[in-house]
Amino acid sequence: AQKVTQAQTEISVVEKEDVTLDCVYETRDTTYYLFWYKQPPSGELVFLIRRNSFDEQNEISGRYSWNFQKSTSSFNFTITASQVVDSAVYFCALRGANNLFFGTGTRLTVIP
Amino acid sequence: ETGVTQSPTHLIKTRGQQVTLRCSSQSGHNTVSWYQQALGQGPQFIFQYYREEENGRGNFPPRFSGLQFPNYSSELNVNALELDDSALYLCASSLAWSGGETQYFGPGTRLLVL
Repeated sequence: AQKVTQAQTEISVVEKEDVTLDCVYETRDTTYYLFWYKQPPSGELVFLIRRNSFDEQNEISGRYSWNFQKSTSSFNFTITASQVVDSAVYFCALRGANNLFFGTGTRLTVIP
Repeated sequence: ETGVTQSPTHLIKTRGQQVTLRCSSQSGHNTVSWYQQALGQGPQFIFQYYREEENGRGNFPPRFSGLQFPNYSSELNVNALELDDSALYLCASSLAWSGGETQYFGPGTRLLVL
């Protein structure tokens, strides 16, 4: 069975602090894809990153970085120097046969 | 490039009624997936359409049905609405669904069932 766990329900940080959102996944597939999405209050899910199981290289995009570790089945997301605009719910997801399996999300609040 | 659009944005219905939600896929995408997101939860997969055929279904009853049209737009129909159907309904489009193509989401339709 495929499963995504985001243990952090809510996180609050002060602006300019760094914050890491945790994601742990379960799958029996040897080839799989992981995703992160951002959901602002408007409701639309905004795609942030896709990572396949072949590539464990960490990725950085501006203030965002992702740490993928197959040994611990984790795909964590770090925001450096957080900003108020980063306030949103963040979802980690695992690709299934026809769909995405989502975690329950982490609500991030950045306090000015 | 046009993104995924959904209509209506908000809808209020009463228990037992029927509802139709609409989705236009992103330009060039031929696969549409529908998700239900209850308050405080992650999106749950309803079904996927590829080239006008259902291509996978989640754990939702038959009163949830769909269509995909030749232009790849899609409809989600829900019959005999129940209070628990109140949720945000998200549509996502992708270019097929192999090799881990990314699903791009629309803004959603908020359905309230009274």
